[in-house]
Amino acid sequence: ELKVEQNPLFLSMQEGKNYTIYCNYSTTSDRLYWYRQDPGKSLESLFVLLSNGAVKQEGRLMASLDTKARLSTLHITAAVHDLSATYFCAVDRDNDMRFGAGTRLTVKP
Amino acid sequence: DTEVTQTPKHLVMGMTNKKSLKCEQHMGHRAMYWYKQKAKKPPELMFVYSYEKLSINESVPSRFSPECPNSSLLNLHLHALQPEDSALYLCASSQDPGETQYFGPGTRLLVL
Repeated sequence: ELKVEQNPLFLSMQEGKNYTIYCNYSTTSDRLYWYRQDPGKSLESLFVLLSNGAVKQEGRLMASLDTKARLSTLHITAAVHDLSATYFCAVDRDNDMRFGAGTRLTVKP
Repeated sequence: DTEVTQTPKHLVMGMTNKKSLKCEQHMGHRAMYWYKQKAKKPPELMFVYSYEKLSINESVPSRFSPECPNSSLLNLHLHALQPEDSALYLCASSQDPGETQYFGPGTRLLVL
């Protein structure tokens, strides 16, 4: 069974500092996704990572994938308040999508 | 049109009611999905339709019945629900199965 683990589950960040969220998964996968969810809202697609060594960046967020270690990271550079949200990684295997538990980020001045 | 729409936004129903959730996309996507999300939990996949055919059913109780009338529409028929079925129901679509999924705003369901 495909399992996805994220850590940390909660992350209180100071503005301007760097942080990393980790996503481990249990079996081989087709694709790995990162999504953002604001309270009471739907999910916004951030990144899709397809192959080993893939790295994608958008603004202050950078995601990478190591398929051998079954690990993806979401790196946050110089955190700002508008990054406060819940971030989910999700792994797709044979069109069966499994989400991690989510990391709730808050950014404090 | 680059979005997934869902109606209604909110729904309150009793345990003996029959209701339906509707999802629509006009992006030409060939795969559509239903997810259930409880508060402070990740989304859980319920059903996958691929080219208008049900391809994945994640052991969902029969009181949830999906329907895909055409490639743009996805319904979720609800009957005899339980209070524990109260959740946010999210619809998503992707160009093809296994590609990036785009989520609708969700229907927040309360079962009394």
